[in-house]
Amino acid sequence: GAVVSQHPSRVICKSGTSVKIECRSLDFQATTMFWYRQFPKQSLMLMATSNEGSKATYEQGVEKDKFLINHASLTLSTLTVTSAHPEDSSFYICSAAPGQGLVQYFGPGTRLTVT
Amino acid sequence: GQQVMQIPQYQHVQEGEDFTTYCNSSTTLSNIQWYKQRPGGHPVFLIQLVKSGEVKKQKRLTFQFGEAKKNSSLHITATQTTDVGTYFCAGPGGGGADGLTFGKGTHLIIQP
Repeated sequence: GAVVSQHPSRVICKSGTSVKIECRSLDFQATTMFWYRQFPKQSLMLMATSNEGSKATYEQGVEKDKFLINHASLTLSTLTVTSAHPEDSSFYICSAAPGQGLVQYFGPGTRLTVT
Repeated sequence: GQQVMQIPQYQHVQEGEDFTTYCNSSTTLSNIQWYKQRPGGHPVFLIQLVKSGEVKKQKRLTFQFGEAKKNSSLHITATQTTDVGTYFCAGPGGGGADGLTFGKGTHLIIQP
């Protein structure tokens, strides 16, 4: 099946610093990738849609200047949490689909802890 | 915006008992997807339903899509300890072309 990887799996950073999370589709190309956020024991919330070669589409309430998304190639999207604060601590999960309308495959997630 | 509601939030069952989780949408869905997330893991795709009234089976799992394409259910027969996890339904939604709107999930706890 389709495989999506994420790096790092866990990261601890100090308040005010920036953290970059990578999402890669390993065995298929994805023109679109998605970034979700999940708080403990809660559901996934779509943050933004990452479009290869163009600007990301952000969901309402998600600060685009804080959560920078770059989709440089058909297999790589990055999420940078800028000037992180403790309230940004969460589980960030990316997903990718081989094509529009097809099912999404999720990465293993990145646990971000901001101290 | 579109909302996907899922019940129950938690379900405790004895091993061997059946389990059902229900999903309802405020709007008609073009399709609905089901995912399973093990504790500490990430969501894993189970199935996608597209047709009105569709029923699909995967071994002990039975998935249904309502006639009006607004509700869906997942039924597990004779639960096993490996079924532990959170089951999410998800429908199309969000600002992106294919971003998903997830239900809150049903946490299945199995007592041996």
